[in-house]
Amino acid sequence: DAGVTQSPTHLIKTRGQQVTLRCSPKSGHDTVSWYQQALGQGPQFIFQYYEEEERQRGNFPDRFSGHQFPNYSSELNVNALLLGDSALYLCASSLALQNTEAFFGQGTRLTVV
Amino acid sequence: GIQVEQSPPDLILQEGANSTLRCNFSDSVNNLQWFHQNPWGQLINLFYIPSGTKQNGRLSATTVATERYSLLYISSSQTTDSGVYFCAVNPTGNQFYFGTGTSLTVIP
Repeated sequence: DAGVTQSPTHLIKTRGQQVTLRCSPKSGHDTVSWYQQALGQGPQFIFQYYEEEERQRGNFPDRFSGHQFPNYSSELNVNALLLGDSALYLCASSLALQNTEAFFGQGTRLTVV
Repeated sequence: GIQVEQSPPDLILQEGANSTLRCNFSDSVNNLQWFHQNPWGQLINLFYIPSGTKQNGRLSATTVATERYSLLYISSSQTTDSGVYFCAVNPTGNQFYFGTGTSLTVIP
């Protein structure tokens, strides 16, 4: 049973560019959430997708957008990259409508130069 | 949003020692999980424990939901236990709120 998989694992982008990160949830899960973790801090919630729609959003600007596909996989897009967007981006999968355990992927480490 | 406080922020142990990590949260929650973040950044699930007590080998956890705290116990610590431990709570089933973590270093 594959767990949560994210790609790529590392990425270097230039300020002002756009980036797309990808996540495949754990088999049987239908909900994907994205988190940003800056160095030395706990992860911060970006948004959650369920049934191909954004269900909840954290305190992040509109430069951060996402998408969920019919197979439940998800993308996180960040436009007009800033140096401050450099962070570890984590994807979590879970089952909607149930209080069950969530699982995280290995993360994508984004560096903006 | 809900506030999550973890203590201590840093902990250094001799191999073989025991430790207790604490997580306080400011509101009732439906989900509470403990994670160990490995050096490559992945969050490894330790416990899903919205209430009650669970044990898994040398690790155990207790959540007292009515008093809004959870404890993670590590016994007979090993160098491989080193890393950052996070408590995360989810009041509604949507968003996790994370604490700032406890950085554990186990020295041989």
